[in-house]
Amino acid sequence: EAGVTQSPTHLIKTRGQQATLRCSPISGHTSVYWYQQALGLGLQFLLWYDEGEERNRGNFPPRFSGRQFPNYSSELNVNALELEDSALYLCASRSLRGQETQYFGPGTRLLVL
Amino acid sequence: AQSVAQPEDQVNVAEGNPLTVKCTYSVSGNPYLFWYVQYPNRGLQFLLKYITGDNLVKGSYGFEAEFNKSQTSFHLKKPSALVSDSALYFCAVRPPSSYKLIFGSGTRLLVRP
Repeated sequence: EAGVTQSPTHLIKTRGQQATLRCSPISGHTSVYWYQQALGLGLQFLLWYDEGEERNRGNFPPRFSGRQFPNYSSELNVNALELEDSALYLCASRSLRGQETQYFGPGTRLLVL
Repeated sequence: AQSVAQPEDQVNVAEGNPLTVKCTYSVSGNPYLFWYVQYPNRGLQFLLKYITGDNLVKGSYGFEAEFNKSQTSFHLKKPSALVSDSALYFCAVRPPSSYKLIFGSGTRLLVRP
């Protein structure tokens, strides 16, 4: 069974630009989560999508947004990039069939110059 | 506020010796508890979880964790450490009525030969 996949693996942008990160969940998983792992800040919850809807968001500004597609894959968009957005962005998926475990992808490392 | 504490930034242990990585949490109700491991430049890999039942949970790669409700702790253990266990370990909690994970700050485990 293929795991969670994310693309690209690395992304370099400059301040003010927009970044788009992509995630494909494990087959059969309908829930996708996004987390940010920034140096010194640990892992923080960003967004949760389920069945195409945003269900919850963490304490991040509105320039962090995303969506979930009918095939349950997801995109994270970060607008007006700031230097402090440099981080590893992790996507996780979960099945809603009584499973509680979130399975993580390898992440996208975003560097904002 | 809900939180997870990993009091040790780093744990050093000799190969073959038992290891313990500590985790305590401050969450009301009966949360779900998880341990994940992160190798350099990789995503998070699920090790084990506690939902309900036996307080001693066994997981991947010989790891186990002991849930102690009175001490609100969920310490990760392994009877005999391997050099290949050297990595960053995260404890995470899923509060009741929530689907996001709250992570501890991580503990770096260094197993010396």
